[in-house]
Amino acid sequence: GNSVTQMEGPVTLSEEAFLTINCTYTATGYPSLFWYVQYPGEGLQLLLKATKADDKGSNKGFEATYRKETTSFHLEKGSVQVSDSAVYFCALREAHAGGTSYGKLTFGQGTILTVHP
Amino acid sequence: EAQVTQNPRYLITVTGKKLTVTCSQNMNHEYMSWYRQDPGLGLRQIYYSMNVEVTDKGDVPEGYKVSRKEKRNFPLILESPSPNQTSLYFCASSFSPGLAGDEQFFGPGTRLTVL
Repeated sequence: GNSVTQMEGPVTLSEEAFLTINCTYTATGYPSLFWYVQYPGEGLQLLLKATKADDKGSNKGFEATYRKETTSFHLEKGSVQVSDSAVYFCALREAHAGGTSYGKLTFGQGTILTVHP
Repeated sequence: EAQVTQNPRYLITVTGKKLTVTCSQNMNHEYMSWYRQDPGLGLRQIYYSMNVEVTDKGDVPEGYKVSRKEKRNFPLILESPSPNQTSLYFCASSFSPGLAGDEQFFGPGTRLTVL
């Protein structure tokens, strides 16, 4: 079955540091890939997405590139802020439209990011 | 404002006492889904619905029921809650997950404790 593996957390950085959160996946076919962010006490929000190989998703200074050859979708940001402190989830969704897993997002375990001033 | 709402946000109950967590979306989405979030496990799908009166099991459906009588509502029912159902629950909806990149919108979550 499908699976997503994220780097172990928590990750603690100083403001303006460079951020990388690794994400690798196992899936059949060509899944869509997503990064969701969960701020304290809130639900998940879509941060960025990519739907095919070599696509780069970007939003709010975050970027991730769909690498089919390495089955990876690493999240990066050049300069983090205190307001980026949150839990980050990598997820995939299968490309096919039917079956018992229709529409299901398969999530990684989440990475807690804390940014200090 | 486009949103997914859940109620209650917090609930403490006892083993065996039936409960319902409501979920409603105002985006006219056909697809709705329930997930539970547990530490170290990420989110796992419980049930999903492709449209009114069409529901199916996800990865962890045991102990849960759902119904989809109206397009906007998708309640999660625990007929006899047990302590292993203590978790953070999220409802989500989207227009059509068969489309690449279709975004799922999540509710704020319901934190359930079963004593």
